[in-house]
Amino acid sequence: DVKVTQSSRYLVKRTGEKVFLECVQDMDHENMFWYRQDPGLGLRLIYFSYDVKMKEKGDIPEGYSVSREKKERFSLILESASTNQTSMYLCASSFQGANEKLFFGSGTQLSVL
Amino acid sequence: RKEVEQDPGPFNVPEGATVAFNCTYSNSASQSFFWYRQDCRKEPKLLMSVYSSGNEDGRFTAQLNRASQYISLLIRDSKLSDSATYLCVVNEEGYSTLTFGKGTMLLVSP
Repeated sequence: DVKVTQSSRYLVKRTGEKVFLECVQDMDHENMFWYRQDPGLGLRLIYFSYDVKMKEKGDIPEGYSVSREKKERFSLILESASTNQTSMYLCASSFQGANEKLFFGSGTQLSVL
Repeated sequence: RKEVEQDPGPFNVPEGATVAFNCTYSNSASQSFFWYRQDCRKEPKLLMSVYSSGNEDGRFTAQLNRASQYISLLIRDSKLSDSATYLCVVNEEGYSTLTFGKGTMLLVSP
C-alpha cells in the first residue's frame, strides 16, 4: 500500500514562529502537493512539485514556501506563522500528472496562537 | 477562475435509500472527473473516476453530462458506512493540478 506520512498529527505554534511540516511518501511518486482544508472553503492548493528541487505555486502560496531536496520528501514552511494559518494541512502524492490518483497523508492540524 | 460547485448538504437519508449528488463545473475545457470520499477527520480517498459513458462500481454510479457541465454520483441501497463527505474533483486539459469542490455531506441513519 502507498503510504504518505506527515510528521505530526497535531501541532501548536505561536505567532511569528517558523514552522516546518514534513511529508514523506514511499512509492517513488514524482508529484507531491500541499493543501490546506478549512470549513466552508474546502481543499485549496498551496504548492506542488513535479521533481526534486522543482516547485510550483498553487492557488494560495502567500506566507508559505516549500522544499524538495529528495524525491520522497516534501516540506512546507511557514516563515512566520500567523493566526490565519491555523488549518488542517494535507500532503498528497501521485504518479505522473494530475490525472493520476492522489494519495493523501492523514493531515496535520496546525493551531497558531 | 476554475469553479467546482456542490450542494454542501447534509443529505439525511435512511439505510437502504437511494441518494444522488450533482456537481457543476465552470470550465468547458475540463477533461477528467473524479469523486473522492472523505470520512470525518480523515484524509480524502479516491472513490471513482467518472467516464464519458458513465460508469458503475457496485452500488455507486457516476455520470457525466458535458453539455450541461455537471457530474453526478448515485448511491443505491445506502449503508451506515456511506456516511461521509463526497468531493467532486475536476482536471482541465493542460492544467497540472486538480480542482476540488467543497464537498457534499451524506448522513445515513438506521
